[in-house]
Amino acid sequence: KAGVTQTPRYLIKTRGQQVTLSCSPISGHRSVSWYQQTPGQGLQFLFEYFSETQRNKGNFPGRFSGRQFSNSRSEMNVSTLELGDSALYLCASRGTGGRSPLHFGNGTRLTVT
Amino acid sequence: AQSVTQPDIHITVSEGASLELRCNYSYGATPYLFWYVQSPGQGLQLLLKYFSGDTLVQGIKGFEAEFKRSQSSFNLRKPSVHWSDAAEYFCAVGAGTYKYIFGTGTRLKVLA
Repeated sequence: KAGVTQTPRYLIKTRGQQVTLSCSPISGHRSVSWYQQTPGQGLQFLFEYFSETQRNKGNFPGRFSGRQFSNSRSEMNVSTLELGDSALYLCASRGTGGRSPLHFGNGTRLTVT
Repeated sequence: AQSVTQPDIHITVSEGASLELRCNYSYGATPYLFWYVQSPGQGLQLLLKYFSGDTLVQGIKGFEAEFKRSQSSFNLRKPSVHWSDAAEYFCAVGAGTYKYIFGTGTRLKVLA
């Protein structure tokens, strides 16, 4: 079974630009979560989607948004990029059931200059 | 408040030595607990999980963890560390049905 796939692996953007990251979950997984990972803040939860609906949201500004498609693939968008948005963005999918663990992709490394 | 604490930011051990990584959690109900490992530039890989039952759980790569409710701890152990175990390790708690809280991680260095 293929794992969680994130594209692209690396991105370099300039302040003020916007960016879209993509995530394909494990086949059959309907839940997709996004996390931001930085050396200073660790793993911070952005949001979770399930069956095309945002189910949970972390404490991030409205510049961070996401969506999920009918095939469970998800995209995350960051508008008006700031230097502080430089981070590793991790996507994770999980199966149904409250005890299912998260399965992570290898992340997208975003650098904002 | 729900939280996960990994008190050791960095740990260095010699290859072949035993390892214990500490994790303490704060959660009102019965927690679901996880350990993940992250190699540089990679995502997080699930090492093991605890939901209920036997408090000593076995995971991949020779790791095990013990759940101690009285101490609110879920420490990760390995009897003999290999150089390839050098990575960052994250403890996480499933807080409710859909929410996960991660610790800040422990970076493991292995000396040859």
